Amino acid sequence: GQQLNQSPQSMFIQEGEDVSMNCTSSSIFNTWLWYKQEPGEGPVLLIALYKAGELTSNGRLTAQFGITRKDSFLNISASIPSDVGIYFCAGLAGNQFYFGTGTSLTVIP
Amino acid sequence: GAGVSQSPRYKVAKRGQDVALRCDPISGHVSLFWYQQALGQGPEFLTYFQNEAQLDKSGLPSDRFFAERPEGSVSTLKIQRTQQEDSAVYLCASSLAGAVPYEQYFGPGTRLTVT
Repeated sequence: GQQLNQSPQSMFIQEGEDVSMNCTSSSIFNTWLWYKQEPGEGPVLLIALYKAGELTSNGRLTAQFGITRKDSFLNISASIPSDVGIYFCAGLAGNQFYFGTGTSLTVIP
Repeated sequence: GAGVSQSPRYKVAKRGQDVALRCDPISGHVSLFWYQQALGQGPEFLTYFQNEAQLDKSGLPSDRFFAERPEGSVSTLKIQRTQQEDSAVYLCASSLAGAVPYEQYFGPGTRLTVT
């Protein structure tokens, strides 16, 4: 299937710091999604991006759909302890969503 | 309102046993997806329903995997003759849209362990 590479794999940051993570693919996607998953729960949708170049914010979160349609990034500003979790990107091709391998975020108070 | 629910939350099966995993989507949601999530990985697509029609089952890893949604609401994922490599979390997601379902709502998953 499609491969989505996320980096970094894990991050340990101090509370209040900004965070940046990205997702790249060898294939073009028409939609990019960012999810957060906490232990024992299903992923929760954070931001959806529908066209190349689009920049969308949701509170302290900002995500962009890359111009080439092969990448996307997610920024979190002024991190807080409840931002802890695994962040997944997902790209839509046809009816299928392809998920990245995730970025694990730990926020140190 | 109620979200997507899945049962059981945990299932331990002996190799060779059959298992059935249930998903109750959000009421009125047309689309339903099943995903398999291995430890440390992102979810991987298994199959997709629009109402009772299974429109895509290309992600099912073998013919031991079977999914149904007979009345367009509750769905069951069945795995026959379970193998150790079937151990994973099985996630269900539903979406209101009948077309391309961007806004997927996930359930908490069923963790299957095959011993």
